[in-house]
Formats: sequence, structure tokens, C-alpha cells
Amino acid sequence: GQNIDQPTEMTATEGAIVQINCTYQTSGFNGLFWYQQHAGEAPTFLSYNVLDGLEEKGRFSSFLSRSKGYSYLLLKELQMKDSASYLCAVMDSNYQLIWGAGTKLIIKP
Amino acid sequence: GAVVSQHPSWVICKSGTSVKIECRSLDFQATTMFWYRQFPKQSLMLMATSNEGSKATYEQGVEKDKFLINHASLTLSTLTVTSAHPEDSSFYICSARDLRGPPQETQYFGPGTRLLVL
Repeated sequence: GQNIDQPTEMTATEGAIVQINCTYQTSGFNGLFWYQQHAGEAPTFLSYNVLDGLEEKGRFSSFLSRSKGYSYLLLKELQMKDSASYLCAVMDSNYQLIWGAGTKLIIKP
Repeated sequence: GAVVSQHPSWVICKSGTSVKIECRSLDFQATTMFWYRQFPKQSLMLMATSNEGSKATYEQGVEKDKFLINHASLTLSTLTVTSAHPEDSSFYICSARDLRGPPQETQYFGPGTRLLVL
């Protein structure tokens, strides 16, 4: 079957760095997405990786290793507004998105 | 670019009534849209894939006669919850697939519709 694993919850301190991991097993691979979802709101697109390596976008970076079925989202200089759930999703061979359950990130002052 | 709107944002209705939710891609054409449901503190659950000009594809366990989906144009998909009951109360979110890229195939989400059935 298809499976996306990510930690349920993480806690970090304002100003620090946090890495949210995502491992996947899917039928085919056409890219991996990270979305941010604040409580009570819809998800917003953060990043996309289809080739191995690191993609940097401001304070956020996303890494992919296709051979390991592994990705991480790195958040630097954490701000209180970064408190949210972070969803990892993989596009399979049918171009369907397989969603992880999300990682709730709690930022403490 | 890649803006998706959803209407209404809030619905409160009586049990047994039908509710229609609209999802529009405002600045791009979307041949494929998706309908999700999310209960409090739970993950997104895909309900169905809406394809312009053809029948929607429903996920296992989702009643197609209860959740009617129409995708009549390249910018509009509608979800109708028929004979709504309290257990249908949830956060309904649509997304539209933007093929323009980069990256291609990205799904952009509408703001969601909160449905409360009394």
C-alpha cells in the first residue's frame, strides 16, 4: 500500500531551527509537496521537490532523497506565526496526491 | 496567480436540507479539482476528484448520491451535500490543479467551507 509518515507533533523555540521529516512509500513518484495549514484554515503551498537535493525558499528549505524515500522541511529563524501543521504529500504514478497526516508544529517564546 | 475561491465560507442548515458549495479557479483553468473533508484535529480526507466534462471519481466509502459533484466548466466545480445530517458537519475544502507550473500539477486550495448541520 501507499504510506506517508511524519511526526505527529513537534515543539521548537522562537528564533531556532526545526526539521520536519517525511518518509514515503508510494506506487511511483512524480514529486513531493509540502503545505502549511494554520488552524481553521485551508492548506497553502510551500514547496515542491522532484529531483534529489535541497530547494531553498527564504526561511524555508525542502530536501528530497528519492532513493531513501525521504524528505524534510527545514524552517529557520522560527517565528510565532510558523505555528501550524505541515503536510507532506507525494504525487504517485497516477498523479494523485497521497497525503501524510501532518505534523503540528508548536513554537514557544 | 493560482487563486482558488470557495463559497460560501460558512453554512448553518437544518437537518434534511441540501447545501451547495462552489469552488472556482480565478486566474487559471482547472480540468481537475478535488474535494476534501477535514474533521477537527484530523488530517485531510480526499472525498472525490472532479473532472471537467465527465463524472467525478469518488473515494472508497464516499456516497456519490449524497455528495453530488458537478464540474461544468474549466473554472467551476460544485459539491452538493444532499439531505444533510449532523454527522456531515465538517470543514469542506476544494483544491484545483494548476498545470501551468512551475511546478506543474500543484494543487491550490480554496479557503474552505464550514458546514454545521443542526
